[in-house]
Amino acid sequence: EDQVTQSPEALRLQEGESSSLNCSYTVSGLRGLFWYRQDPGKGPEFLFTLYSAGEEKEKERLKATLTKKESFLHITAPKPEDSATYLCAVQAKGNTPLVFGKGTRLSVIA
Amino acid sequence: NAGVTQTPKFQVLKTGQSMTLQCAQDMNHEYMSWYRQDPGMGLRLIHYSVGAGITDQGEVPNGYNVSRSTTEDFPLRLLSAAPSQTSVYFCASSATSGGYQETQYFGPGTRLLVL
Repeated sequence: EDQVTQSPEALRLQEGESSSLNCSYTVSGLRGLFWYRQDPGKGPEFLFTLYSAGEEKEKERLKATLTKKESFLHITAPKPEDSATYLCAVQAKGNTPLVFGKGTRLSVIA
Repeated sequence: NAGVTQTPKFQVLKTGQSMTLQCAQDMNHEYMSWYRQDPGMGLRLIHYSVGAGITDQGEVPNGYNVSRSTTEDFPLRLLSAAPSQTSVYFCASSATSGGYQETQYFGPGTRLLVL
C-alpha cells in the first residue's frame, strides 16, 4: 500500500529562520511527487512536481528536492506570508490515484 | 478561465437529508476527483473519474454517489447525510498524459455541517 508521511506536523519559525519540511514515501514505483500549499479556508495550490531522484525545483524562497525515499521542501529566509499548510502527494506507476500526506502546518512569526 | 468552481460554499443539513455538491471545470480536463478533508486526517479520496461516463471509488466512498455525464461537471451526491459526513469537500481536476494524471487543480471547497 502506498503511504506518505510528512514531518513535522507543525513548525514554528522566526522570520528569516531557514528550515526544511520532510515527506517520506513508500510506493510501488514512483511516477511523480507533488507539493501543494494550502491557506486556511482555501483549496490546495500547486507548487512543484518532481519525477526522479536528484531532481530539484525552486520557486522564490522554496526549493523542493527528491531522493528515492523522501522529498524535502527547503524554505530559505521565510516571511510571514509563507505561513500555510504544505501538502505532499505521490503518484505511483500504474496510474493509481494520488496519495496525500497529512501536511505540515508552518507558522512564520515576524 | 474560472478554473475549478464549487457550489455551495457552505451548507447545513439535517441527518437523513440528501444533497448534491456541484463541481465544474473549464480547462477541458479529463480527470476529476472528490476529496474530503478532516482535521488530522489529510485529504482522503472519495470518488474519481478518468473521463465522461467513467467513475471509480476512492478510499472513502460509502454514503456518496457520483456520475460524470459531461467533461465539465462532476457532482457529488450525499444520499442520506450523517454527522460523520461533516467535513470540507474539495473537487479537483487534472489533464492526463499517457494515461497518468498531471497536476491537479483544486476548487475552493464546500464546508458541510450535518446536524
